[in-house]
Amino acid sequence: AQSVTQPDIHITVSEGASLELRCNYSYGATPYLFWYVQSPGQGLQLLLKYFSGDTLVQGIKGFEAEFKRSQSSFNLRKPSVHWSDAAEYFCAVGPPYSGAGSYQLTFGKGTKLSVIP
Amino acid sequence: DSGVTQTPKHLITATGQRVTLRCSPRSGDLSVYWYQQSLDQGLQFLIQYYNGEERAKGNILERFSAQQFPDLHSELNLSSLELGDSALYFCASSGGASGSHEQYFGPGTRLTVT
Repeated sequence: AQSVTQPDIHITVSEGASLELRCNYSYGATPYLFWYVQSPGQGLQLLLKYFSGDTLVQGIKGFEAEFKRSQSSFNLRKPSVHWSDAAEYFCAVGPPYSGAGSYQLTFGKGTKLSVIP
Repeated sequence: DSGVTQTPKHLITATGQRVTLRCSPRSGDLSVYWYQQSLDQGLQFLIQYYNGEERAKGNILERFSAQQFPDLHSELNLSSLELGDSALYFCASSGGASGSHEQYFGPGTRLTVT
């Protein structure tokens, strides 16, 4: 069965500092990988995704993530954090899409990011 | 704004009662997914519908049921409510047979069972 582990429940960084959020997955083949962000009181917003090809993917809001097959990881990074980045971040994994109209994601438990001004 | 709408935003009800949560997917999306988010369980997939048919089932209790209507909106019915059902319930939608597997989430319905 597929699973996602986000080892850090809560991370605090200073504004302007760099950020890396960890995500490890367990899956039989190369999955599709996603990062979502949830601001307080909001739904989840897709930040970026990896399907194939270049292992470094760029997303919205200045975020990027790197897929490392050997480490089964898909860590999220940002070079300089802004106070508005304070939110909860979720990594998700899904199977390669088959076009059958059915697609199920498995989410990690999330990492809450606090930003110190 | 993801284009997915959910009503109501908040719902407070008593144990033993039944409630209905509603979701309208993004225009053109055929798939609707329901998730439950609680502090102890995290984000749990409940059920998926595609163009009116149930396609996948996750950790959905027998007291819960869902359906997707011809206009593609979906309803999640929760009955015999227990305190432990208090959670955020999200709906997400994704594209149809053309292959979009990115899920777009609605703002959620916060259910409080007292």
